[in-house]
Amino acid sequence: EPEVTQTPSHQVTQMGQEVILRCVPISNHLYFYWYRQILGQKVEFLVSFYNNEISEKSEIFDDQFSVERPDGSNFTLKIRSTKLEDSAMYFCASSLSRTGNQPQHFGDGTRLSIL
Amino acid sequence: AQKITQTQPGMFVQEKEAVTLDCTYDTSDPSYGLFWYKQPSSGEMIFLIYQGSYDQQNATEGRYSLNFQKARKSANLVISASQLGDSAMYFCAMSGSGYSTLTFGKGTMLLVSP
Repeated sequence: EPEVTQTPSHQVTQMGQEVILRCVPISNHLYFYWYRQILGQKVEFLVSFYNNEISEKSEIFDDQFSVERPDGSNFTLKIRSTKLEDSAMYFCASSLSRTGNQPQHFGDGTRLSIL
Repeated sequence: AQKITQTQPGMFVQEKEAVTLDCTYDTSDPSYGLFWYKQPSSGEMIFLIYQGSYDQQNATEGRYSLNFQKARKSANLVISASQLGDSAMYFCAMSGSGYSTLTFGKGTMLLVSP
């Protein structure tokens, strides 16, 4: 069964550094998402992406964050000048369509630790 | 704005018994979707089951069924014949009409004992 792939599984970075989290969505999916989950808390939406542009973003997704689809398969989340509070599990997800009845399939996540 | 409420922080069940995980929601959207995801201790998010707001029948997927009561705005997950491997965090989530961003609840930790 096709799946969403995320790399790396764990990233440790010094505060102030930039990180790039990578995702390969399911190949025929058109909508891509990033969510984050701070330890012990619920999953929070960051951003959705379609047709090479952001379609929705949350208040969390400020100028520190950016997303890109650099080629036909990868979808990346860049966090500039990381802060301690950016430590979280970051999930990439993809779905076949934008309608609310299509499940989003999640990757296994990248655990980001900011020191 | 959408809101998901999961009032059970933890649930315990014995192997082979059925268990119900509660989920209530609030939305002003006329059309929406309700989802359940499982998160084992390893951290990944696994899609379990989906219910559309206009679906006449409750969704079922193997041992999982969704008890959808629209008037009560509840979408409880029922797991029949629990297995040790069902021990995990379970999240209820919803999407709205015309967009698919998911709003998650805080989750319920299910522990299945032998």
